Amino acid sequence: KAGVTQTPRYLIKTRGQQVTLSCSPISGHRSVSWYQQTPGQGLQFLFEYFSETQRNKGNFPGRFSGRQFSNSRSEMNVSTLELGDSALYLCASSFGAGAGETQYFGPGTRLLVL
Amino acid sequence: DQQVKQNSPSLSVQEGRISILNCDYTNSMFDYFLWYKKYPAEGPTFLISISSIKDKNEDGRFTVFLNKSAKHLSLHIVPSQPGDSAVYFCAASAFSGGSNYKLTFGKGTLLTVNP
Repeated sequence: KAGVTQTPRYLIKTRGQQVTLSCSPISGHRSVSWYQQTPGQGLQFLFEYFSETQRNKGNFPGRFSGRQFSNSRSEMNVSTLELGDSALYLCASSFGAGAGETQYFGPGTRLLVL
Repeated sequence: DQQVKQNSPSLSVQEGRISILNCDYTNSMFDYFLWYKKYPAEGPTFLISISSIKDKNEDGRFTVFLNKSAKHLSLHIVPSQPGDSAVYFCAASAFSGGSNYKLTFGKGTLLTVNP
C-alpha cells in the first residue's frame, strides 16, 4: 500500500502571499489531520477532516483553512502568509477518527516565507 | 497548557545500552498512547502504541510502559543502535466529542546513539 503523499515537498513564498498544500492519504483511510512543526516545538495540531467534514480544529488563526474531497484527499490553505508561518507542515491519515486509531504521516511540506 | 510533556529535549546513550525516553501527561481522559520516531526531513513514523487498559506493550527491541496512576509512560529501546538516533515524539489520544478522538503530541526528545 502506498503511504501518505504530500505535495509540494518544498515551497518558498513571500509575506502576504497565500499557499495551498496537498495531501493524499493511504488508500482506504478516511481521516486526514494536519500539523505544523517549528523548531523547538512539537507537532501542533491544525485540524482534522473525516468524510469531508472538519471534526477537530486547533488554536490557529482563521488564515489557516482546509478541506477534504470525496476521495479523502485534503488540501490546506494559508492566506496572507507571515514570516512565522515558516514550518514543516505534516499531514497524517488514519482509517477512522475513533479510539485507538493510529495516524500515519506523510513526509511533510517545508514552507519558507521570506 | 501542554498536556503531553517530554521533559528531556535530548538523550545520549552508547550503542548496545538501553535508551529510556520518558513522557508525562496531565489529561486523565487520555486512553491511547503512541510513540513516533522522526528523522530529519521525513515525517514521523509510527513505532509502538499502548492502550490504557495495559501497562506494557512490547515489539522487538521496543517496549512501552504505562503507569496510569503517575500519568507517565516510557519507551525502552534495548539494545540501542546508531540507526535509532532520531527525535522521538510521545502522543496521547482523548475523546473530543461525537465519535472523534484527537491526538496530542509532546515536543519530542532527540536520541543520539553513539557507536
